[in-house]
Amino acid sequence: DAKTTQPPSMDCAEGRAANLPCNHSTISGNEYVYWYRQIHSQGPQYIIHGLKNNETNEMASLIITEDRKSSTLILPHATLRDTAVYYCIVRARIYNQGGKLIFGQGTELSVKP
Amino acid sequence: DVKVTQSSRYLVKRTGEKVFLECVQDMDHENMFWYRQDPGLGLRLIYFSYDVKMKEKGDIPEGYSVSREKKERFSLILESASTNQTSMYLCASSYRGRASDNEQFFGPGTRLTVL
Repeated sequence: DAKTTQPPSMDCAEGRAANLPCNHSTISGNEYVYWYRQIHSQGPQYIIHGLKNNETNEMASLIITEDRKSSTLILPHATLRDTAVYYCIVRARIYNQGGKLIFGQGTELSVKP
Repeated sequence: DVKVTQSSRYLVKRTGEKVFLECVQDMDHENMFWYRQDPGLGLRLIYFSYDVKMKEKGDIPEGYSVSREKKERFSLILESASTNQTSMYLCASSYRGRASDNEQFFGPGTRLTVL
């Protein structure tokens, strides 16, 4: 799995967009970008994933650069409940074997009123 | 909604005790995982299972064993608990053989303290 690099912490004002960057310069062609988050004292929660096209769901948007060496998770209107550690994970989809996810240190996002 | 439950949120055991951590999922997932989470070390995979009675070692299996007798239940066993196994234990599950293999659903975690 390709290595990812994320800033250790970020602040965001409530109601503003939170843009969380992730570098994955060694990503290979069959590897996807996944984002999870972990709110304090809870288990991690899947957010979104993508291969090369931008993706959007009810939680967030994922923007992947054309060369796929970096990506940005966007929370369009951050709330206090979005305060969490956000993990960017790069992994190939290996069918019939399940996913062994490797969580790095992540970015601790603090949403402030 | 997918639900993954763990038997205890908090557990305190003594050194040398045998400890059972239970995990149950209600979405008919084939894959189940056990991680531990420690400050500064992130999540580390202990064991995983692709099917009933199947198990595979993760990155840190020493001192642990697992059991998967039923599809919905995956147990983590500490044969003789030690203080360095004090940690947050997280169970997860996912589908197998589908596009969502890497979309894991996590339980709330069990914070284990070994005295």
